[in-house]
Amino acid sequence: KNEVEQSPQNLTAQEGEFITINCSYSVGISALHWLQQHPGGGIVSLFMLSSGKKKHGRLIATINIQEKHSSLHITASHPRDSAVYICAVSRGATNKLIFGTGTLLAVQP
Amino acid sequence: GAVVSQHPSRVICKSGTSVKIECRSLDFQATTMFWYRQFPKQSLMLMATSNEGSKATYEQGVEKDKFLINHASLTLSTLTVTSAHPEDSSFYICSARSGGNEKLFFGSGTQLSVL
Repeated sequence: KNEVEQSPQNLTAQEGEFITINCSYSVGISALHWLQQHPGGGIVSLFMLSSGKKKHGRLIATINIQEKHSSLHITASHPRDSAVYICAVSRGATNKLIFGTGTLLAVQP
Repeated sequence: GAVVSQHPSRVICKSGTSVKIECRSLDFQATTMFWYRQFPKQSLMLMATSNEGSKATYEQGVEKDKFLINHASLTLSTLTVTSAHPEDSSFYICSARSGGNEKLFFGSGTQLSVL
């Protein structure tokens, strides 16, 4: 069993829909990261969370430390949101990351 | 915002040659840099952690003599794939973390194809 699990693996949505991607982890962490990877491969860090909730534009990330669970929400989804969304947790003195397998999101116009 | 520059973005080489990939932090000092590889449709896997001025820490199963990492300054880390073979063909990407900020900044990645 992977230490970081994401669901769903694939998600297709219509433009404007509210989207939720879930992440569960089974290890102790110092922080949880949500990353976005576009088809060309480049990765952008969206959020780094250790507790509570963060919002940036149409993106919202929440984390429940007790339940070891995080969610990434996208409101009013748009085709340009189409990408792979990756959950990763950092742990240890070096804060090295353990990655989930990613969620491939396709937002159709 | 912080930028990490990675070069080259794509390289094709013959089997047996060595390939160097550079990762630079452009507007901050990166005390720690991470190197990952990613196979198609798979998640990223950490290869090694490099700290400025000291030896890199390699993950289990990663050959340190094959994947040479040098972090000689606070803004530059290099990964050299020595005597590359077709099975080394992969997407390699670096990330950097500044000393006082845990947020990670990623390079744009390097697609290596070994013929």
